[in-house]
Order: sequence, then C-alpha cells, then structure tokens
Amino acid sequence: QQQVKQSPQSLIVQKGGISIINCAYENTAFDYFPWYQQFPGKGPALLIAIRPDVSEKKEGRFTISFNKSAKQFSLHIMDSQPGDSATYFCAAVISGGYNKLIFGAGTRLAVHP
Amino acid sequence: ETGVTQTPRHLVMGMTNKKSLKCEQHLGHNAMYWYKQSAKKPLELMFVYNFKEQTENNSVPSRFSPECPNSSHLFLHLHTLQPEDSALYLCASSQTSGSNTGELFFGEGSRLTVL
Repeated sequence: QQQVKQSPQSLIVQKGGISIINCAYENTAFDYFPWYQQFPGKGPALLIAIRPDVSEKKEGRFTISFNKSAKQFSLHIMDSQPGDSATYFCAAVISGGYNKLIFGAGTRLAVHP
Repeated sequence: ETGVTQTPRHLVMGMTNKKSLKCEQHLGHNAMYWYKQSAKKPLELMFVYNFKEQTENNSVPSRFSPECPNSSHLFLHLHTLQPEDSALYLCASSQTSGSNTGELFFGEGSRLTVL
C-alpha cells in the first residue's frame, strides 16, 4: 500500500516530442505528489508538484495530470529537449511532521536531437 | 558552501573496514534524511532525523549507524558492510515547520563500493 508504481522504466523521445511518464499509488493518505529530476552525478531536485484537489498543474513545458479516482498521476514534458535527458522520479507524500516521501523506481529519459 | 554537501563523493571499502559518510546542510532546515539509491529501484528511505531526534529507521541493518550531532550535520557510520550495500547514498534536508511542500533538498551523494 505504500508503493508508488512508475512506468516506463526508460523512454526515448525525439527532440520536440512529448514525453509522458505515469505513476500509480494505492494509499489514499498521500496528500502531495512531487516529481523529481536527477541528472547524472547529481542528487534529485524538485521539478513540479501537485495536491490531490487539483487535476492539472503546468509550469512551462512541464505538466502534471492528476486523476484522484484512478489514483494515477502523470508528467508530460512538451517540446522535449536534449537538456531534459535525465531520470525522473514521481513521489507521494504523507504530510505531518517531516516529509515522508515514497518514490517510484524512476524513468530514464533520453531526448535525441 | 550552499545547499547540501556530502563527503566523500566516492568511497571504496573492504567488508571489514569502518568508514563514515558526512552530510552538511546550509539551508537552516530542521529535518535530515539518508536515502539509498540502487539501480532500477526506488529511492529507499533509511533514516530520518527531525530536530536532531531520530524519527524513522526503516529496518536498516545495524551495520549502518546514523548520527546527528546537530540540525546541520548528519553522519552515516559504516562497518562490516556487504557487497550488496554498494550504492549511491543520498543525504537530504527539509523544513518541517509551516506549510509542508514535500520538498527535499538533496546532496550529490556518496558513491559507495564494497569489495
């Protein structure tokens, strides 16, 4: 129940295309859903996040779509660029006290020029 | 120095060695975390310290021993490790007062290889 399932494991997209990464969860106690981006040799960094009372959040080329009834959320990267090549992790948070994040297994994105 | 810094960045040790990983955060946060990152697996939360008190220990083997002397420093003491402990160990910090944004600030990690 504490798991967050992420797919696909890896993704290859042409420059200018749309990258889509999907995640699913079971625990309805999760109340915040961030996405993290990790470049090689670096730690993960927060990219964008959404609360379950919102169905979509957009920041620049990055959009989170959230389906509360299906317990699924996804990251869309529009006009994907080679600089977006990184590993993306979805996560789910149970608020209260410290930030207890449950991470997905990650998606390695490669954007080809 | 800014953000979260981890040392050493790379560490190779034998199974009988004793070593320590160090983490320092310069963000004024009150919570610090150790995560283990292995290939193709989710980041695994190991330990959490909130206001210097350990609040989470995710069934981590006793060969990993955390220490948090103050809210800015976190250590992970390693002894008699196994080859399967080879991984990237990530330190993170967060602020837990006020609105909870779910944001962790990660260091660049310490790549550990156990021979």
